[in-house]
Amino acid sequence: DVKVTQSSRYLVKRTGEKVFLECVQDMDHENMFWYRQDPGLGLRLIYFSYDVKMKEKGDIPEGYSVSREKKERFSLILESASTNQTSMYLCASPPVADFYSNQPQHFGDGTRLSIL
Amino acid sequence: QKEVEQDPGPLSVPEGAIVSLNCTYSNSAFQYFMWYRQYSRKGPELLMYTYSSGNKEDGRFTAQVDKSSKYISLFIRDSQPSDSATYLCAMSSYSGGGADGLTFGKGTHLIIQP
Repeated sequence: DVKVTQSSRYLVKRTGEKVFLECVQDMDHENMFWYRQDPGLGLRLIYFSYDVKMKEKGDIPEGYSVSREKKERFSLILESASTNQTSMYLCASPPVADFYSNQPQHFGDGTRLSIL
Repeated sequence: QKEVEQDPGPLSVPEGAIVSLNCTYSNSAFQYFMWYRQYSRKGPELLMYTYSSGNKEDGRFTAQVDKSSKYISLFIRDSQPSDSATYLCAMSSYSGGGADGLTFGKGTHLIIQP
């Protein structure tokens, strides 16, 4: 059973802390994505990676960075957490269903992060 | 500019009714269209995936795409209380790898009344 696993379901941190959110996939896929989901704003793309050590900015990368040292693991880093980064964070792999192989996209169950 | 419009609801219907969920978009480059279902405190789950215009049916679910109108729909027949969730439309210019991610609607909260 394929899976995208996010290390924490709930996380509480303080303003100014460096925060790491971890995502692991067991599908041997190249592509991994980080989104945040906010009421009234929907899902917005933060960063994505299409290979080890490769990264691309999404629509809202400010205040975030990412790390992809191994194919199965994609980390989202909040360099100095701020209250406006309180949100639900979702990891996904691959980015879209592969139309010809009919592989579905998989999301993790999310990390609900609160910055106090 | 990426933009997808979706009515947030809530949409409340009685059990057994036919449900119609819709999204409009402005970017004519979108070719791949998806519907996700998201239960509370869970990640989105892919329901339907279509390419270009046309219909696709899977059990009680039918997805329609009208690229000329930039309008997509999801129909749910014989709706059940277990269908109560938030439904997200999503779209992309690309198929598999090398894509630039999905553009999502904000989601419609659906309630099926027993």
